[in-house]
Order: sequence, then C-alpha cells, then structure tokens
Amino acid sequence: KAGVTQTPRYLIKTRGQQVTLSCSPISGHRSVSWYQQTPGQGLQFLFEYFSETQRNKGNFPGRFSGRQFSNSRSEMNVSTLELGDSALYLCASSPSGPKVNEQFFGPGTRLTVL
Amino acid sequence: SQELEQSPQSLIVQEGKNLTINCTSSKTLYGLYWYKQKYGEGLIFLMMLQKGGEEKSHEKITAKLDEKKQQSSLHITASQPSHAGIYLCGADDQAGTALIFGKGTTLSVSS
Repeated sequence: KAGVTQTPRYLIKTRGQQVTLSCSPISGHRSVSWYQQTPGQGLQFLFEYFSETQRNKGNFPGRFSGRQFSNSRSEMNVSTLELGDSALYLCASSPSGPKVNEQFFGPGTRLTVL
Repeated sequence: SQELEQSPQSLIVQEGKNLTINCTSSKTLYGLYWYKQKYGEGLIFLMMLQKGGEEKSHEKITAKLDEKKQQSSLHITASQPSHAGIYLCGADDQAGTALIFGKGTTLSVSS
C-alpha cells in the first residue's frame, strides 16, 4: 500500500508570492490533516478535511487555506507569503471516522521564503 | 487549550545506554501517541497508548501511560545509532479531530 505522498518536496518562494502544496492520502483514507512545523513553535495543526469538508481549523491567519477533492487528495494554499511561513509542512491521512486514531504522515514539503 | 511538554529537550547518550523521554500534559490524557522523526522528514508512528497504566513495546522501545500523572514516558533500552532522531508525543485535542504535539526531544546516540 502506498504511503502518503506530498509534492513538491522542496520549494523556494519570495515574500508576497503564493504557494500551493499537494497531498495524496493513503488509498481509502478520507481524512487529511495539515501541520506546520517550525523550530520555534514545533508542530502546529493547520486544518483537517474529511469528505471534501473542512472539519476543524487551527489558529492560523486566513492566508492559509485548503481544500479536498472527491478523490481525497488535498491542497493547501498560502497567499502573500511572509518570511515566517518558512517551515516544513506535513500532511497526514487517517481512515474515515470522527476521531484521530493513528495518523500516517507524509514526508513533508520544505518551504523556504526569501 | 491543552499543551504537551516534553523533557528533556535534547539528549546525547552513548551507544548501549538506556534513556527515558517524558511527555506531560496540562489536561487529562485520553490517548497518547509517540512518533519519531528524522530531521526534515515526516513522522513515523511508533505506538499509541489509550488506557491508564497501559504499556507497549516495539523492539527496544517501551512506552507507558500514567493517566493520574497525565504523563507518558518513552524508554529506549540499549540505544543504537538508528534510534537517533526527534521523538514527539501527540495527543487528541478535545474535539478529537486534531493532534497536538509536544515540541520534541532530539536524541543523538554516539558510538
């Protein structure tokens, strides 16, 4: 069974630009969550999608948005990039159901904002 | 909001030595997860603890959950260079739809 895949793996952008990251969950998984990892703040929850609906959202500004497609693939978008957005962005998928019960993480996308 | 505090923040041990990493929650723990991360990579699920007093082992790694103390410990026996990495504890948030994480413990194993 293929694991969670994220594309691209590395990305360099400049301030003010926007970026779109992609996540393909494990086959059959309907929940996709996104996390931001920085040295200072650690791993922080961005949002979670289940069956194309955003179920939960973390404490991030509106510049961070996401969506999920009917095949459960998910994208997240960051607009008007700031230097502080430089981070490792991880997505995780889990089987259908309301509770997080073992999330499988992708390798992450390393975003650098110059 | 619930917070998870890990200690120590970093650890350097000699190969073959035992070590323990702690994770303390500011609120009642209903489920506790341990993950390992190689620098700049995704998280690898190690184990999940759900009941007070529960103890699980995977190879040379053992984790315990003490609900009363709102704490979990991860113990590695006879450490090896392959154990090096960042260990993170995670727990379900109150809504049960997201994970919150500790800031991680960086383990280095010297040979």
